[in-house]
Amino acid sequence: SQTIHQWPATLVQPVGSPLSLECTVEGTSNPNLYWYRQAAGRGLQLLFYSVGIGQISSEVPQNLSASRPQDRQFILSSKKLLLSDSGFYLCAWSAVRWGNSPLHFGNGTRLTVT
Amino acid sequence: GEDVEQSLFLSVREGDSSVINCTYTDSSSTYLYWYKQEPGAGLQLLTYIFSNMDMKQDQRLTVLLNKKDKHLSLRIADTQTGDSAIYFCAENGGATNKLIFGTGTLLAVQP
Repeated sequence: SQTIHQWPATLVQPVGSPLSLECTVEGTSNPNLYWYRQAAGRGLQLLFYSVGIGQISSEVPQNLSASRPQDRQFILSSKKLLLSDSGFYLCAWSAVRWGNSPLHFGNGTRLTVT
Repeated sequence: GEDVEQSLFLSVREGDSSVINCTYTDSSSTYLYWYKQEPGAGLQLLTYIFSNMDMKQDQRLTVLLNKKDKHLSLRIADTQTGDSAIYFCAENGGATNKLIFGTGTLLAVQP
């Protein structure tokens, strides 16, 4: 069966520090991968998605970047964090096919920028 | 444009039925989903419905789809305290499979 892992679960970082959040998927090949952010207001905002190694699409301009160095690894990064980067970050994967391809989420990372 | 709307809050008593509503705008969506998020956790896929269906039942869950009005609902029968969570509806965004999520409905179940 497929599993998705995100770490760390919680993170407190000072403004201006770098960020690296990691997400890995097991039990599937060539998945679509996604990074979402959930702000305190509850809504989910798609940040990045990837359909293959090295292929990243950014949905919104921001202080963050994403990379996919391996098929089942997705990394969210920042060189210098801002206060507004605080939030709950969720990684997700889906199968690459037409039709019913729901997203399957990790447990999330709670990031607090102080 | 793509927009998915939900009411923010619903309170029910344990044992009653809960109905969570959602409206969406993209008529080309082929699948619509319901997710559940418990406090501090990721989103858990509950159920989905194909756009050519009107209804789908899965144990205590019933999904109704009115494609003409672009209205989706989730009914939870015999609601339990463990059903307290935020519920998101989502529509798929075409070839890239980018799901567009609603704002979420916080379901509070009173004992």
